[in-house]
Amino acid sequence: SYELTQPPSVSVSPGQTARITCSGDALPKQYAYWYQQRPGQAPVLVIYKDSERPSGIPERFSGASSGTTVTLTISGVQAEDEADYYCQSADSSATVIFGGGTKLTVL
Amino acid sequence: QVQLVQSGAEVKKPGASVTVSCKASGYTFTGYNIHWVRQAPGQGLEYMGWINPYTGGTNYAQRFQGRVTMTRDRSISTAYMYLSSLGSDDTALYYCTQGVVVVNTEYFHHWGQGTLVTVSS
Repeated sequence: SYELTQPPSVSVSPGQTARITCSGDALPKQYAYWYQQRPGQAPVLVIYKDSERPSGIPERFSGASSGTTVTLTISGVQAEDEADYYCQSADSSATVIFGGGTKLTVL
Repeated sequence: QVQLVQSGAEVKKPGASVTVSCKASGYTFTGYNIHWVRQAPGQGLEYMGWINPYTGGTNYAQRFQGRVTMTRDRSISTAYMYLSSLGSDDTALYYCTQGVVVVNTEYFHHWGQGTLVTVSS
């Protein structure tokens, strides 16, 4: 079955840049979306259509797509960015699929 | 503003069934699919399927087919997710979310608060 692959964890110091990748064979044909989930809270959309940022999401969040990999970049990481991040896309039959999630730790 | 308010926590015995409700407000209920996503303790997001509130049409993720039923009541802008034959691995937080269509798929801007379903003997 189709999968989206994310690294289990990423660690950065405050002020540095965090990059979280998501890989999947269908990504060249399907948009990717990114969600932030803090402990005890529902997911929050931070990037849609590969690189668009919803209103209210800080400019330090950005997204990019290249071939079978999409990347969420958080520039100037702050302590409040510590959370789990999930990519989402769709398989060849347009069924929604989530990546396994990446835990971002701010050192 | 868009709000999705879910029903309260449930405790069920193995083999039982559960129904979770999701009441929508702040938008036209029949204009957007309602999707269900669950999250087991300490685990990632798992997609379950969607219902079209206008037509009642549904599409379920393969691993839940035969065990999940999604319905809606247009008169009260509420969607329901019914899951049967519960096992301990169904213990999870269940979310409803409003789908936003882009080309041939959807993404999720608004989420319910989640409903904890605990399956325990």
